[in-house]
Amino acid sequence: EADIYQTPRYLVIGTGKKITLECSQTMGHDKMYWYQQDPGMELHLIHYSYGVNSTEKGDLSSESTVSRIRTEHFPLTLESARPSHTSQYLCASSRSLSVTNEKLFFGSGTQLSVL
Amino acid sequence: KNQVEQSPQSLIILEGKNCTLQCNYTVSPFSNLRWYKQDTGRGPVSLTIMTFSENTKSNGRYTATLDADTKQSSLHITASQLSDSASYICVVADRGSTLGRLYFGRGTQLTVWP
Repeated sequence: EADIYQTPRYLVIGTGKKITLECSQTMGHDKMYWYQQDPGMELHLIHYSYGVNSTEKGDLSSESTVSRIRTEHFPLTLESARPSHTSQYLCASSRSLSVTNEKLFFGSGTQLSVL
Repeated sequence: KNQVEQSPQSLIILEGKNCTLQCNYTVSPFSNLRWYKQDTGRGPVSLTIMTFSENTKSNGRYTATLDADTKQSSLHITASQLSDSASYICVVADRGSTLGRLYFGRGTQLTVWP
């Protein structure tokens, strides 16, 4: 069982609101990721971090931002939510910096709906 | 272009039956291939990871095969149970850079009926 937690599980919010999706892991993993997933589609990497004070943009352009002040915490923020941001957001972590042979552990996800 | 294609897109089987899901990829240079199970509204959970030198790996009733020459993989589920209803995602890792990169398929949605 993965020790990685996301809150909230579901969020319905109005256009223009600022939101923060929380992700925490208790496994001491250095690398953390944020993925976006739409129904029936593949996961897209939007942000990742190598460790504290490290953040990088992923493959999919995103208007969100992330921070990594503590090893265990990797929150994602949307300054002004829009309906196009409606999606499922998945947080993941892995032990080593190289993803090549490391298993990813995923949180349960946050389903975001922007009205 | 590096891609991962899965088939079928969806599948319905009766409880107790076996099934096989397919994954074809064009990712190069290849590092490893993973199968994940994703229950509705949850995050994916790892089932197997296979490297270039492994051509089969089992995890309980799940058996994955890999043919690195033809760039194909399959996931065989034996004696299906209702709890097997989920999306099964094929993920391929490359070794084109120091840190590697993952390519995700769109998944096969499996429904097991009683």
